Amino acid sequence: ILNVEQSPQSLHVQEGDSTNFTCSFPSSNFYALHWYRWETAKSPEALFVMTLNGDEKKKGRISATLNTKEGYSYLYIKGSQPEDSATYLCARNTGNQFYFGTGTSLTVIP
Amino acid sequence: NAGVTQTPKFQVLKTGQSMTLQCAQDMNHEYMSWYRQDPGMGLRLIHYSVGAGITDQGEVPNGYNVSRLKKQNFLLGLESAAPSQTSVYFCASQRQGGQPQHFGDGTRLSIL
Repeated sequence: ILNVEQSPQSLHVQEGDSTNFTCSFPSSNFYALHWYRWETAKSPEALFVMTLNGDEKKKGRISATLNTKEGYSYLYIKGSQPEDSATYLCARNTGNQFYFGTGTSLTVIP
Repeated sequence: NAGVTQTPKFQVLKTGQSMTLQCAQDMNHEYMSWYRQDPGMGLRLIHYSVGAGITDQGEVPNGYNVSRLKKQNFLLGLESAAPSQTSVYFCASQRQGGQPQHFGDGTRLSIL
C-alpha cells in the first residue's frame, strides 16, 4: 500500500486569510498527483492533475505545487472565502489506481 | 448532462443478503472504479476497470465482485453482505489513466 498523508487534518481560518496544506506521498514510481475538492453532501470534484516535478497549477485563488523528488505537494488558497469550505483530497495516481489521503477539512469563518 | 450516476442512493440490508450497486457514465470514459469511504479513512479502491470486460482488484477487494459488460456500466456486487461492509460507496470514471476522475453522488449502504 502506497500511503498518502495529508496535513493538517482540519483547519479553521478567518475569511480573507490565506492558507495552505500539505500532501505527502512516496516519491518512487511517481505517475501523477491529483487534488480534489469535496463539499459536504456532494461528490469530489477535480481541481488539479500534476505530473512533472516543479509543476505549478492555478485556478482562481487556488494553486498547487509539486515536488516529486521529495514526495510532497502544497495546495494554497489565497484570500479564503466561506464558499472555499470543503475537504481537500489529494491522491497519488499510479496509472490505473488511485491512493487517496484522508483529506484536509477547511472551514472558513465569515 | 448526467455524468456518473449511481443507484440506489441508500440501501439497508441484512447480514447475508446479496446486492448489486449500479454505476453508469455517459462520458464515454474508458476507466471506471469503485471506492468505499469510511470515517477517518480516505477513499479506498475496491475494484477498477480499464475497459469493457476488463477488471482488476484494488486495495480492498475482499467480499466484492464487479462486472463491466458494457463500457458505460460498472456493477459492484456483494454476494453475502457483512456489517463490515457498511459504508458509503463511490463510483468514478476517467477518460484514461492519469486523467482526473469524475465521481457519482455515492450510495450509502447499511448492513444490519
